[in-house]
Amino acid sequence: RKEVEQDPGPFNVPEGATVAFNCTYSNSASQSFFWYRQDCRKEPKLLMSVYSSGNEDGRFTAQLNRASQYISLLIRDSKLSDSATYLCVVNEWGGSYIPTFGRGTSLIVHP
Amino acid sequence: EAGVVQSPRYKIIEKKQPVAFWCNPISGHNTLYWYLQNLGQGPELLIRYENEEAVDDSQLPKDRFSAERLKGVDSTLKIQPAELGDSAVYLCASSLGQKGTGELFFGEGSRLTVL
Repeated sequence: RKEVEQDPGPFNVPEGATVAFNCTYSNSASQSFFWYRQDCRKEPKLLMSVYSSGNEDGRFTAQLNRASQYISLLIRDSKLSDSATYLCVVNEWGGSYIPTFGRGTSLIVHP
Repeated sequence: EAGVVQSPRYKIIEKKQPVAFWCNPISGHNTLYWYLQNLGQGPELLIRYENEEAVDDSQLPKDRFSAERLKGVDSTLKIQPAELGDSAVYLCASSLGQKGTGELFFGEGSRLTVL
């Protein structure tokens, strides 16, 4: 069983829509959580960190639910440029951080 | 400040040939990771270094893959001999390790095609 699970999508939404992704993880001792964005044929880049108190950056909101072991990403007012793959990352600790990636959720924003 | 540098960006080889990838992490980043990414999948960890020590190589197929980080800075990943199924993107990432939050910084990746 994969430790970090994401719905691969694709999520196909019109411009201006609100879209949400979830990611579940299996290790309750996980330490830190992130969302990365990956454009086609590019490397992953950090989008935002995820905290229990929530984290908002413009149109993007990330949330952690430790009790249910999932993290979420909400994108409001979707733009064409938001089209990408969104990777969930869960860190465990083993002397240094051990990041495990989900398979990614594909978002396609159309006009 | 320079980011993570990888080379080559692209490599095409025939099966059974050897190939090597090089990575130079961000200065001061003690932790270095090699990941493999197949199309439509998330990155999968191959090996993790703390300085020059390989602290987790459990997912590295040691019959054909090897890696080194001799001086605790740059690193090489080698495949010998390559198989068709090794075609993928090999990503190198670095982080501050214990001093950081766990954020990874990736290089642009090395795209391998095995014919």
